[in-house]
Order: sequence, then structure tokens, then C-alpha cells
Amino acid sequence: AQTVTQSQPEMSVQEAETVTLSCTYDTSESDYYLFWYKQPPSRQMILVIRQEAYKQQNATENRFSVNFQKAAKSFSLKISDSQLGDAAMYFCAYRSYNQGGKLIFGQGTELSVKP
Amino acid sequence: DTEVTQTPKHLVMGMTNKKSLKCEQHMGHRAMYWYKQKAKKPPELMFVYSYEKLSINESVPSRFSPECPNSSLLNLHLHALQPEDSALYLCASSGRQASYEQYFGPGTRLTVT
Repeated sequence: AQTVTQSQPEMSVQEAETVTLSCTYDTSESDYYLFWYKQPPSRQMILVIRQEAYKQQNATENRFSVNFQKAAKSFSLKISDSQLGDAAMYFCAYRSYNQGGKLIFGQGTELSVKP
Repeated sequence: DTEVTQTPKHLVMGMTNKKSLKCEQHMGHRAMYWYKQKAKKPPELMFVYSYEKLSINESVPSRFSPECPNSSLLNLHLHALQPEDSALYLCASSGRQASYEQYFGPGTRLTVT
């Protein structure tokens, strides 16, 4: 069975600085997808970024980028130029290629942004 | 339009009540999901519907009964719930392919008294 681990329950960053959230996963599959979701307090969960395992190039979405290390089974999220609106719970998630769309989530990292 | 809507936003019910949660999407997605989420915890998958057929039931107690009347609508019928069922219930949808990300609704905050 696949597992996802986020080892940082809480992180803090100064506004305009850069922060990296860690995620590791365990799988025996070669084809899969990885996602970072953001859930602000009392607000909707939204997708931040996704990565296909077969792609070597790291995904980037504006200020958000990932460092995907397939051999190490690591998928960290870097947030550049942090903004107050980035404060949220961040979940790393794994999706198998062939298991009916089931997402396996990590325990989450709560990010606070200091002005 | 990437919106998934859920009603009601909040629901308080007694342990003997019967109520339903509703989820709707108009993105043409053919997979829909129910999740349960406790505070500061990740969502836990409950059910998956694919092409309006139940494809995954994560051993959810029978007091939760899902229904998918059509490709845009997903219901969760609740009956004889327990206080520990109080949680945020999230609906999500995704396209047909495995790579398609899931779009989440805002959730229904359920309190069982």
C-alpha cells in the first residue's frame, strides 16, 4: 500500500521570503501522480500544483514549484515570495495510475505567514 | 467553470434524524467523491462514483448512504448518525483520466447532537 508522509506539522515564513514544505511517499508503482493541495482556514481545498511521475521536469505554477526526486520518493513544495494569503494547511497527495482515482493524503503542514 | 457546489453549508442533526447532503458539478466530470474531514486532519475517502456507478466504498458504516442520480449530482443520505460523525464532509469531482485532478467543493459542516 502507498503511504505519504509530511514530517513538518507546522511551518512559519516571513512575508516575501521562501519556504519549502517536505513530502515523502512510499510506493512500488512506476506510474503515478503527485499533488499539493492548499486548504485555507474554513475555506475550500484547492489544487496548487501537480506532477506526473513520468516527467523529469519539475512542475511550476507562478510562485509555487516542486522538487520531484523520483528515486528518493520525495516531492517538496517551494513557495517563493510568500504572501499572507498563502497561510493555510498544505496537503501532499498521491494518486495511483490504476486505482480508481483514490487520493492518498499526507497528514498536512500548517503554514503561517508573518507580516 | 471549475466549481463544485455543496448544500447545505452547515447542518445540525440529532441522532435519530434523517438528512441528506447534496453536491453538484457542471464540468462534465464523470467521477465524484465523498470525503470526511476532521479538524486539522487530511480528508478520508468514503465513496467514489465513476460513470454514476459506485466504484469504491471504503468500508463506510451503512448509516451513510450515497446516491448518484445523474452525472452532475451526488447525494449523501444520513441516518442514525453518532456524535463522532460530526465533521466536514467534502465532495469532489474529476475527469475520466487518472491524471485529472480532483476539484473540491466547500464542504458541509455537520454537527450531530
